[in-house]
Amino acid sequence: QKEVEQDPGPLSVPEGAIVSLNCTYSNSAFQYFMWYRQYSRKGPELLMYTYSSGNKEDGRFTAQVDKSSKYISLFIRDSQPSDSATYLCAMSRNTDKLIFGTGTRLQVFP
Amino acid sequence: GAVVSQHPSRVICKSGTSVKIECRSLDFQATTMFWYRQFPKQSLMLMATSNEGSKATYEQGVEKDKFLINHASLTLSTLTVTSAHPEDSSFYICSAGGGIKLFNEQFFGPGTRLTVL
Repeated sequence: QKEVEQDPGPLSVPEGAIVSLNCTYSNSAFQYFMWYRQYSRKGPELLMYTYSSGNKEDGRFTAQVDKSSKYISLFIRDSQPSDSATYLCAMSRNTDKLIFGTGTRLQVFP
Repeated sequence: GAVVSQHPSRVICKSGTSVKIECRSLDFQATTMFWYRQFPKQSLMLMATSNEGSKATYEQGVEKDKFLINHASLTLSTLTVTSAHPEDSSFYICSAGGGIKLFNEQFFGPGTRLTVL
């Protein structure tokens, strides 16, 4: 079993839709939870990070962590075609090493 | 935000040659740099972690003699793929962390696509 599971998609939604991206994990020692956006043939860009449980909001993006269920989510409101990318979740214990999900490819069509 | 650059962005080489990839943190000092490898439609896999001035720590299954990492300064790390073979063709991405806000934040370079013929 992989430490971090993420549905690869692709997920295709119309412009303006609310997008829900999710990851599950097996290691209860993870404390830091990140979401990265990666455009084709580019390096990942940090979108949001959360420490421990709870919600965090930044503009159209909301990150949620449920440690009891070992489940994290990223919500994108009012999705735009420019949001089309691969979204990677990543997690870490109290070290620098990040464990990534496989990424979910999102397509937002006009 | 923190900026990390990589050079070259794309390289094509013949089998048996060595290729060096540079990773630079442009506007901050990176105490730790990381090297990842990404195959198509797969996740980033950590290859090694390097701290400035010390030997890199390699992940299990990564050949240290094949993937030479040097982290000579707080702004530069290099990955050399020695005697490259077609199976080494991949997208190599570095990231830099440490000394910026929270140590667990890593900032990624744009990646280097290596094609070995």
